[in-house]
Amino acid sequence: RKEVEQDPGPFNVPEGATVAFNCTYSNSASQSFFWYRQDCRKEPKLLMSVYSSGNEDGRFTAQLNRASQYISLLIRDSKLSDSATYLCVVTPNTGTASKLTFGTGTRLQVTL
Amino acid sequence: DVKVTQSSRYLVKRTGEKVFLECVQDMDHENMFWYRQDPGLGLRLIYFSYDVKMKEKGDIPEGYSVSREKKERFSLILESASTNQTSMYLCASIMNTEAFFGQGTRLTVV
Repeated sequence: RKEVEQDPGPFNVPEGATVAFNCTYSNSASQSFFWYRQDCRKEPKLLMSVYSSGNEDGRFTAQLNRASQYISLLIRDSKLSDSATYLCVVTPNTGTASKLTFGTGTRLQVTL
Repeated sequence: DVKVTQSSRYLVKRTGEKVFLECVQDMDHENMFWYRQDPGLGLRLIYFSYDVKMKEKGDIPEGYSVSREKKERFSLILESASTNQTSMYLCASIMNTEAFFGQGTRLTVV
């Protein structure tokens, strides 16, 4: 089983729609969780961290469910500029807290 | 502003060549990582370093080595390039679990 699993998509949604992605992780001792965004032919960049209490940044909401070992990303009022691949990232509890494990990504395409 | 620079955006090398991919960061970070990214496989960790002259194997180190002689520079070396090493290579400098990536090097081995 992969350490971090995501549905590769693509998710094709119209502008203005709400879309949600989930990501599951296998190591129950994982410490930190993130969503990164990667535009086509570009490097990944941090979108937001994910906390147990959930966190929101504008149209984006991230949540963590430790009991079921998944994290989610909700995008409201989708914009064309949201089209990208969204990478779920987890840090394992091995003492090397900076060692990030990436999911394969979920591709989002927002259309007119 | 944070900056991680990879020496080349595109490289084409022949099978059997020794290939050097260079990465420089200007943030004085201790932690630097090399990943490769392939369709359907995502980012896979090749090697990482927590300090000068220190290196650790990641998940797929075979066929690669690294060098970290100075804090700001982390080099990935393909000892004898093979066609299955054709990929996008991404260097990252990581601080407090946030990764800052270089723009990537798309390497093609022919």
